[in-house]
Amino acid sequence: GIQVEQSPPDLILQEGANSTLRCNFSDSVNNLQWFHQNPWGQLINLFYIPSGTKQNGRLSATTVATERYSLLYISSSQTTDSGVYFCAVSAGYSGAGSYQLTFGKGTKLSVIP
Amino acid sequence: DGGITQSPKYLFRKEGQNVTLSCEQNLNHDAMYWYRQDPGQGLRLIYYSQIVNDFQKGDIAEGYSVSREKKESFPLTVTSAQKNPTAFYLCASSLRQDNQPQHFGDGTRLSIL
Repeated sequence: GIQVEQSPPDLILQEGANSTLRCNFSDSVNNLQWFHQNPWGQLINLFYIPSGTKQNGRLSATTVATERYSLLYISSSQTTDSGVYFCAVSAGYSGAGSYQLTFGKGTKLSVIP
Repeated sequence: DGGITQSPKYLFRKEGQNVTLSCEQNLNHDAMYWYRQDPGQGLRLIYYSQIVNDFQKGDIAEGYSVSREKKESFPLTVTSAQKNPTAFYLCASSLRQDNQPQHFGDGTRLSIL
């Protein structure tokens, strides 16, 4: 099956700093999502981005499908950005199982005041 | 508001007992999914269903069962055969097409007494 690797596994930032999180995947994809899991466990959709670039406030994401990676940018980080960021993909072929997401292990972000 | 409702938020299981986790959605999505998350890990797929009365095993289906009698509902039963059920369980749904994002409920934390 498709493999998803996220880096770095842990990241500590001073409030106000910028960061880049990376997601590498091993096969072509038809779905790529970035999630933020808050300390209560809620999984919040950040971006649906199988290709291209999107921005939402201080967050932006870029997926280069041909090179099999995606980047999540966080600018001017705040303490509320703390949590775990997951990248998840589903493979770009039809058939049973084609809609299931494969998750990376996440990047744990801690933003300190 | 449209969304996915999981209940209960916390659940305790005695040895040898089956327990059922509820997942209801009012997004009119065809596909529904169950994931398991262990501490410090990403999510792994247990079961998924693309249409009513049909469901498929995911990567870690042993010790679990599901039903899909209604479009809105996809309950998960953790059976006594699941020897390590303590985990965080997340339900998701999506439109049954390529290139559609998955949306997640707030999860159920299951612990063993």
